[in-house]
Amino acid sequence: EVQLLESGGGLVQPGGSLRLSCATSGFAFSSYGMSWFRQAPGRGLEWVSTISGEATTTYYADSVKGRFTISRDQSEKAFFLQMNRLRAEDTATYYCARLVLLQPDFWGQGSLVTVSS
Amino acid sequence: QSALTQPRSVSGSPGQSVTISCTGTSSDVGGYDYVSWYQQHPGKAPKLMIYDVTKRPSGVPDRFSGSKSGNTASLTISDLQTEDESDYYCYSFAGSYTFAVFGGGTSLTVL
Repeated sequence: EVQLLESGGGLVQPGGSLRLSCATSGFAFSSYGMSWFRQAPGRGLEWVSTISGEATTTYYADSVKGRFTISRDQSEKAFFLQMNRLRAEDTATYYCARLVLLQPDFWGQGSLVTVSS
Repeated sequence: QSALTQPRSVSGSPGQSVTISCTGTSSDVGGYDYVSWYQQHPGKAPKLMIYDVTKRPSGVPDRFSGSKSGNTASLTISDLQTEDESDYYCYSFAGSYTFAVFGGGTSLTVL
């Protein structure tokens, strides 16, 4: 059974940093691209970042480029989102997801990040 | 403002059919067949309902179907059930720079 589980969310002050983790199981992790998405309270879904299966290529939304870094640990079957210089507009539930044919199929349950003083 | 345009809400009675549209451009929906649809109940993670424009994952009822014409994709739900009441989002791959875009979401009410 494919499973994804986010952790690392919480309350952080503007300008601060947070690292989200996504632990995975039930599939050949290194064969899949993985992505982070987010959803601000009461708003729609937004793509944030993607990393290829071999970790050779990364992609970022313009809204987070230069502030967020995606990475993965093949041996741990986990991937991460390092978020720096956080802003109030980064407040959202962050979801990790597996990509199949460039589309997310399985999603984690979400981790809430609140940026506020 | 979302990159893909969906109606904010649609409604239908049990047993009826509804169609939700998703309009993009030739750089996303019109340029690739990597279009998918997600159902999201309040407080829950999105669930994949349709991928590659028309394909259904295992376990998704065949009442759900997808199509595409030009820059517009559509999700049709036939024989509406009360449990179909939810938010629905379309998604499209958009090339190696933008990578992915979503619609703003459509709230389906089953009357």
